[in-house]
Amino acid sequence: TQLLEQSPQFLSIQEGENLTVYCNSSSVFSSLQWYRQEPGEGPVLLVTVVTGGEVKKLKRLTFQFGDARKDSSLHITAAQPGDTGLYLCAGAKTSYDKVIFGPGTSLSVIP
Amino acid sequence: DTGVSQNPRHKITKRGQNVTFRCDPISEHNRLYWYRQTLGQGPEFLTYFQNEAQLEKSRLLSDRFSAERPKGSFSTLEIQRTEQGDSAMYLCASSETGTAYNSPLHFGNGTRLTVT
Repeated sequence: TQLLEQSPQFLSIQEGENLTVYCNSSSVFSSLQWYRQEPGEGPVLLVTVVTGGEVKKLKRLTFQFGDARKDSSLHITAAQPGDTGLYLCAGAKTSYDKVIFGPGTSLSVIP
Repeated sequence: DTGVSQNPRHKITKRGQNVTFRCDPISEHNRLYWYRQTLGQGPEFLTYFQNEAQLEKSRLLSDRFSAERPKGSFSTLEIQRTEQGDSAMYLCASSETGTAYNSPLHFGNGTRLTVT
């Protein structure tokens, strides 16, 4: 049973376009994290969201945590080829629980 | 801070052989995780430790898999009688103790296992 779902699974866009990827669950999470992974490397943390309704911005990336703390979105403005990678959401059900990952969204930005 | 180190980076083994992987976490980190990842998929939770205590092991994990963290520092993951389905990237991550949302995971670059 996949506790965290992500959509779309694959996304290929032209440089300069905007995009949004989604992370959804039927369960409530105490926090959600977004990671980015490049081939041959481990995932690297982008952001952690904790409070329902929270919005965080990281340069061209905007992250939102749903009011019910069951879902999150990542919006990228004016995508660049350097944004290419596997975007993973991860969460913990309680503050001390293990962190589990979604299946990821593979993003390809074409120059 | 030298980051999380995993060895070896690559391992090719024949079906039926045993393999052991090592992970050296960031020294101040109490938590250590093992995940398995196949191409294009997200990391699948295997097990995790708080210091030397193994807190949870995935029910999807067969008895052929075992992990240890004997002194609360480095950890080893052993797979006995390897099968072709065990071929994957094995990722180790560490984090500080305490609230999960204050503790990002720091990953190593993984050990890629190929079972022939």
